[in-house]
Amino acid sequence: NAGVTQTPKFRVLKTGQSMTLLCAQDMNHEYMYWYRQDPGMGLRLIHYSVGEGTTAKGEVPDGYNVSRLKKQNFLLGLESAAPSQTSVYFCASSPRKTDEAFFGQGTRLTVV
Amino acid sequence: AQSVSQHNHHVILSEAASLELGCNYSYGGTVNLFWYVQYPGQHLQLLLKYFSGDPLVKGIKGFEAEFIKSKFSFNLRKPSVQWSDTAEYFCAVRGNDYKLSFGAGTTVTVRA
Repeated sequence: NAGVTQTPKFRVLKTGQSMTLLCAQDMNHEYMYWYRQDPGMGLRLIHYSVGEGTTAKGEVPDGYNVSRLKKQNFLLGLESAAPSQTSVYFCASSPRKTDEAFFGQGTRLTVV
Repeated sequence: AQSVSQHNHHVILSEAASLELGCNYSYGGTVNLFWYVQYPGQHLQLLLKYFSGDPLVKGIKGFEAEFIKSKFSFNLRKPSVQWSDTAEYFCAVRGNDYKLSFGAGTTVTVRA
């Protein structure tokens, strides 16, 4: 039972480098989300998608881009990493608008 | 835009004590409400959810929550906590715009 899988689990980047975080779900869910979790700030929504080929901005989208070319995958890109993007990133998916979200294990990203 | 407010940042209590965590949200329309738990080093897991019907919702591990529409609140309760309930608890709300927004979280420490 894979559920929601995030790749990689840990990464250290230098300022200015780029990278892509991959989220894959095998539950055929329509909705997918990217969050960042910072101490004392809870989870903040970066971007989300309501279906294949669609994306929308969340609460803190600046500095990030996303793509949902396939229904099962939701990619989060950092074009030019900054130390302020040091965080734990969680991906989630849900089958319908009214259902709960299922979370991945998280990616711990450090930008030095 | 919707927002979620959790009143307590850190709660410390002894085993067998009762727990109540406050959650208020701001959103003018119909909402779906959730409580998630995050144990140390793990991803978020659903405790309970409210969509409609009985405003008193029972979840896993003896947790329950009450939706009070007039107060825009969805408080979490447990009559008698255990050491294993030490975790971070998040309230979340989803409105008609598909976004799933989280509060800042409450860290609960249960002392044996």
